[in-house]
Amino acid sequence: QSALTQPASVSGSPGQSITISCTGTSSDVGGYNYVSWYQQHPGKAPKLMIYEVSNRPSGVPDRFSGSKSGNTASLTISGLQAEDEADYYCSSYTSSFHVVFGGGTKLTVL
Amino acid sequence: EVQLVQSGAEVKKPGESLKISCKGSGYSFTSYWIGWVRQMPGKGLEWMGIIYPGDSDTRYSPSFQGQVTISADKSISTAYLQWSSLKASDTAMYYCARRVTTKGGADYWGQGTLVTVSS
Repeated sequence: QSALTQPASVSGSPGQSITISCTGTSSDVGGYNYVSWYQQHPGKAPKLMIYEVSNRPSGVPDRFSGSKSGNTASLTISGLQAEDEADYYCSSYTSSFHVVFGGGTKLTVL
Repeated sequence: EVQLVQSGAEVKKPGESLKISCKGSGYSFTSYWIGWVRQMPGKGLEWMGIIYPGDSDTRYSPSFQGQVTISADKSISTAYLQWSSLKASDTAMYYCARRVTTKGGADYWGQGTLVTVSS
């Protein structure tokens, strides 16, 4: 069982917006602003999409945004595109001085 | 251009030892943490541990403490992940990734090394 809880799957149509949640505790997500989000296409290495809750690395489209409220972080993708179909993982620093991942969410673009 | 290039796929038998590598280029190798991530077939990502090549400070995730050894040779900008006695359950894809701090996200990733352990 993963330390952070994500929905197994979400789906949306092109152009729509979707949100993926990542629920932890006050010892991880709620206690630190070190939440990251990764995108992984089949057979590829993960790619950093969001770091420190809401910051986008250079080159990541502004359709991707991150936020946090209490013990739950969220990744929102607006203007959904076919190439956004992938697995998404959240991660957070924890009070045990480690970084843990969520279980992953499969995004399907209908 | 920042690159992390990992060694090639391995097929091993249970009980054998193995050391896989991750060579960094295009940045100051000694100024960033390098972490290792396991992804078992069809499963999610797991941080195994991280190392700071500048001083070899190494931290292991609890699940992997004692199971693997992480090291680095800063003279050749290469980090390593090794096993002394492989098990079938070590079959997985292993990624190395660069982190600016011990707490933050990993901004560059290697291409992955597939390790298959089978008798």
